[in-house]
Amino acid sequence: QAVLTQPSSLSASPGASASLTCTLRSGINVGTYRIYWYQQKPGSPPQYLLRYKSDSDKQQGSGVPSRFSGSKDASANAGILLISGLQSEDEADYYCMIWHSSGVVFGGGTKLTVL
Amino acid sequence: EVQLVESGGVVVQPGGSLRLSCAASGFTFDDYTMHWVRQAPGKGLEWVSLISWDGGSTYYADSVKGRFTISRDNSKNSLYLQMNSLRTEDTALYYCAKASGTVATWGYYFDYWGQGTLVTVSS
Repeated sequence: QAVLTQPSSLSASPGASASLTCTLRSGINVGTYRIYWYQQKPGSPPQYLLRYKSDSDKQQGSGVPSRFSGSKDASANAGILLISGLQSEDEADYYCMIWHSSGVVFGGGTKLTVL
Repeated sequence: EVQLVESGGVVVQPGGSLRLSCAASGFTFDDYTMHWVRQAPGKGLEWVSLISWDGGSTYYADSVKGRFTISRDNSKNSLYLQMNSLRTEDTALYYCAKASGTVATWGYYFDYWGQGTLVTVSS
């Protein structure tokens, strides 16, 4: 089982909100991790969006709009990236990341389609 | 302006070797941990390796451990990845990435990425 699991795709309408999940493997407690989120558009390297561990331990990336926010669902052992007021430019791949064991782990990514 | 420029990606046969380079500019290179991250065509991101600011600590993904070696030359503001015993599954775009902080080796995000260099392992 992968350390981080993300749904492969998600569709949402312009102006709506999208909730992208990043589920941690059983036995790895989401509460103890900072979860980092990146956005990647075709032909470009990933760009850092934000980090979320708790409401008192979070960070927004430089220039990242406030309609991008992080949270957690402890009952689902998952990190969440919430994008509100979806715009066509938000169509991209989104990756979660944690520091785990001896290095960095990425989720498999979610392709967000805005239509 | 921070710039990371990777080079060295080519087509190589399985079992072959290759050395990637990353030229850094626009920041104090020897203050920061540096990473290699790869992305197979049409696939997700996979972290490969990191090296501390002074080269004293290195870590690798299990998938490359024992085959790849990360190094740096702070006098040349350059990062390297020596890749041996290459496999078809190593085919990917290889990015170098800069850690966002300087105090520790761990726990930072990647604030700057290069455009990547493509490694293709094929017979």
